[in-house]
Amino acid sequence: NAGVTQTPKFRVLKTGQSMTLLCAQDMNHEYMYWYRQDPGMGLRLIHYSVGEGTTAKGEVPDGYNVSRLKKQNFLLGLESAAPSQTSVYFCASSYPLAGVDYEQYFGPGTRLTVT
Amino acid sequence: AQSVSQHNHHVILSEAASLELGCNYSYGGTVNLFWYVQYPGQHLQLLLKYFSGDPLVKGIKGFEAEFIKSKFSFNLRKPSVQWSDTAEYFCAVKGGATSGTYKYIFGTGTRLKVLA
Repeated sequence: NAGVTQTPKFRVLKTGQSMTLLCAQDMNHEYMYWYRQDPGMGLRLIHYSVGEGTTAKGEVPDGYNVSRLKKQNFLLGLESAAPSQTSVYFCASSYPLAGVDYEQYFGPGTRLTVT
Repeated sequence: AQSVSQHNHHVILSEAASLELGCNYSYGGTVNLFWYVQYPGQHLQLLLKYFSGDPLVKGIKGFEAEFIKSKFSFNLRKPSVQWSDTAEYFCAVKGGATSGTYKYIFGTGTRLKVLA
């Protein structure tokens, strides 16, 4: 199992450009999440999905859109990048089994710089 | 509002010293609690978790944590740290399985540096 993978690993964008970050998991997990990690602020939830075709807003959703067309993939889009979106982005997935929630499994992260 | 507080932002210890990192949460109802570790340049990995039962939870690499419900705390401990424990540690909370919530709330992290 590859677990949770993210592409790309690094990216530099100019202000106003758009891009899509791809998260893929091969563990058949129902739930998937996008976080951003900034110094001194921990992880903040951007959007999440509890199943194929469903998405919901997290703590800091503005400026981002997501899609979950396939169970194994969760895409994070930036339509018009801003310097404030410079961050490290982590994808995670988890799977509730028999009413018990298990831990999240994280991808390796995408380091995005917006100039 | 739900929140997680990690009081120590930076901790520096010498090898063999004992470690305790504080974590307090604000959440009504049953909770699931987690400690994650992020080694330099790597992604987050689970250290240990509490769902129910024995409030003293043992995790990987000699770490343990104690859930004290009355204090809303889930402090992480290790009796003797090693240089390889240098990392950032995150506490996280999630509503229990019957809470209907899917969100995990993370603390701001504690950077631990262990001096050889």
